[in-house]
Amino acid sequence: NAGVMQNPRHLVRRRGQEARLRCSPMKGHSHVYWYRQLPEEGLKFMVYLQKENIIDESGMPKERFSAEFPKEGPSILRIQQVVRGDSAAYFCASSLQGPGGNQPQHFGDGTRLSIL
Amino acid sequence: GENVEQHPSTLSVQEGDSAVIKCTYSDSASNYFPWYKQELGKGPQLIIDIRSNVGEKKDQRIAVTLNKTAKHFSLHITETQPEDSAVYFCATPLYGGSQGNLIFGKGTKLSVKP
Repeated sequence: NAGVMQNPRHLVRRRGQEARLRCSPMKGHSHVYWYRQLPEEGLKFMVYLQKENIIDESGMPKERFSAEFPKEGPSILRIQQVVRGDSAAYFCASSLQGPGGNQPQHFGDGTRLSIL
Repeated sequence: GENVEQHPSTLSVQEGDSAVIKCTYSDSASNYFPWYKQELGKGPQLIIDIRSNVGEKKDQRIAVTLNKTAKHFSLHITETQPEDSAVYFCATPLYGGSQGNLIFGKGTKLSVKP
């Protein structure tokens, strides 16, 4: 499967715990985007990363949320001290080129995070 | 920043009929307009996109039309089939332009009745 791979598909955490969501982009893609989707809603942009750099994190809450895309390995979205309001589906997308390029974003199947 | 409105929120059609979903946007600088289909438990799948240098694009039973003057674009599905049932999202670049972080409409739940 050469698509965007996200894991885990489902993640259950208790309030106060940490959640780590992983995303491996499509082969050859070096641009990664994270989106959050609440039930019955559209996707909302959180953060855009290139290898080893955060390009735009304007959609990400300033506290408890962080993202990285290291030189080797998947992109990680990390949520510390989770609260019930963090329950959502988190989607990762990747593209061959970033803004200004001519390539569409392709999405993974998401991680469904449930907070008890 | 950009704002996207999508209508209708739900649409029910009989198999074989056509379905039309419309989106309006606010930033006249936007030049890229993708449509995504999301099935239950899956991620959004790009089904068609259009750039502002054309007014219409077709791919078999799916077409997208763009009216830059009125700032709206529409998805047209002809000869609908039960497997077309899903949630459809329009999108456009969050900061205008032709690519980058996307802003999505709230989605249209399409039901095709056999």
